[in-house]
Amino acid sequence: DAGVTQSPTHLIKTRGQQVTLRCSPISGHKSVSWYQQVLGQGPQFIFQYYEKEERGRGNFPDRFSARQFPNYSSELNVNALLLGDSALYLCASSLRVDSEKLFFGSGTQLSVL
Amino acid sequence: GENVEQHPSTLSVQEGDSAVIKCTYSDSASNYFPWYKQELGKGPQLIIDIRSNVGEKKDQRIAVTLNKTAKHFSLHITETQPEDSAVYFCAASPYGYKLSFGAGTTVTVRA
Repeated sequence: DAGVTQSPTHLIKTRGQQVTLRCSPISGHKSVSWYQQVLGQGPQFIFQYYEKEERGRGNFPDRFSARQFPNYSSELNVNALLLGDSALYLCASSLRVDSEKLFFGSGTQLSVL
Repeated sequence: GENVEQHPSTLSVQEGDSAVIKCTYSDSASNYFPWYKQELGKGPQLIIDIRSNVGEKKDQRIAVTLNKTAKHFSLHITETQPEDSAVYFCAASPYGYKLSFGAGTTVTVRA
């Protein structure tokens, strides 16, 4: 069975640009969460989506937004990119909104120049 | 919010020896404590987890202990092997989906 898939694997953008990252959860999983991992640190929670609705949000500015589609895949959008947005963006899927076991993808490495 | 501290930041052990990583958490409402292993170029992989109603859990060479009173939990890896070399993260959660991670421990197993 395929795990969580994310695309693209790497991305280079310049300050002020906008970026969209994509995630497909494990088949049968209905919840998707997004995490940001800055080099040398642990992942930080950005969003959780379940049944196309935002169910939780971390301490991130409104420049960060996301959505979930009927097939449970998800997109993370970041507007007006800053140098500090350079990080590995991880998507995690789980069976339900209250499921504790998260299964992570390999992430999208975003570099902002 | 939840704050998780993890020690040590780096750990070098001889193959066959044991490795211990310790974490503390701040939110007494946290009731779920997973451990993740992250290899280079990959996302974190869940290796073991424990809930607050259990004091200890073991899975082959890996064990986790939890002390709710002291708000700390530990990962123990016995008989370490080269493939155990990776970055290990502890996490805590009072809500299930929203994990608060420690800063990570880079484990190096010397052959």
